[in-house]
Amino acid sequence: AQSVSQHNHHVILSEAASLELGCNYSYGGTVNLFWYVQYPGQHLQLLLKYFSGDPLVKGIKGFEAEFIKSKFSFNLRKPSVQWSDTAEYFCAVNDWAGTASKLTFGTGTRLQVTL
Amino acid sequence: GAGVSQTPSNKVTEKGKYVELRCDPISGHTALYWYRQSLGQGPEFLIYFQGTGAADDSGLPNDRFFAVRPEGSVSTLKIQRTERGDSAVYLCASSLSPDQPQHFGDGTRLSIL
Repeated sequence: AQSVSQHNHHVILSEAASLELGCNYSYGGTVNLFWYVQYPGQHLQLLLKYFSGDPLVKGIKGFEAEFIKSKFSFNLRKPSVQWSDTAEYFCAVNDWAGTASKLTFGTGTRLQVTL
Repeated sequence: GAGVSQTPSNKVTEKGKYVELRCDPISGHTALYWYRQSLGQGPEFLIYFQGTGAADDSGLPNDRFFAVRPEGSVSTLKIQRTERGDSAVYLCASSLSPDQPQHFGDGTRLSIL
């Protein structure tokens, strides 16, 4: 079965610091990869996605992620975080089985940005 | 336009009771998913519908859990003989098709006393 590992459970950064959140997955075949964000009191929202093509994908709010197939990784980055980036971040992999599709999520990383 | 709507937002009930959780997907989305999120965990897949049929129910934990989508739009997740371990946030998501990103609702927080 597919699994997703997010090694950072809780990250605290000052505003303007750079961010990198790790994500590794186990499946060796073709994958679609996602980062979702959940702001306090809100629902999960798509931050960015990788389906194919350029392994460096850019998402909303200045976030980007790099797909490195040889490392089974899809790390999330942002050069300079803002206080409003405080949220929980989930990495997810699209796990295909026939014509069905389901997401396998990591346990999430809680990001706290201080002023 | 409206997003994925889930009702109720909160449900508290006693152990052994029956509960129904409702999901109204984004209009036109043929794919609908249910996930369960326990405290400190990421969402875990329960069941996936393509149209009216359950295309993958491999995530349902046992036969107390059942879901329907009779007209290919609204879905209901049903839990019989609830147990304290069923307490979690139940999330619904929908997408235009299985290969498109999923859009999530706010979830239903279920508490079993």
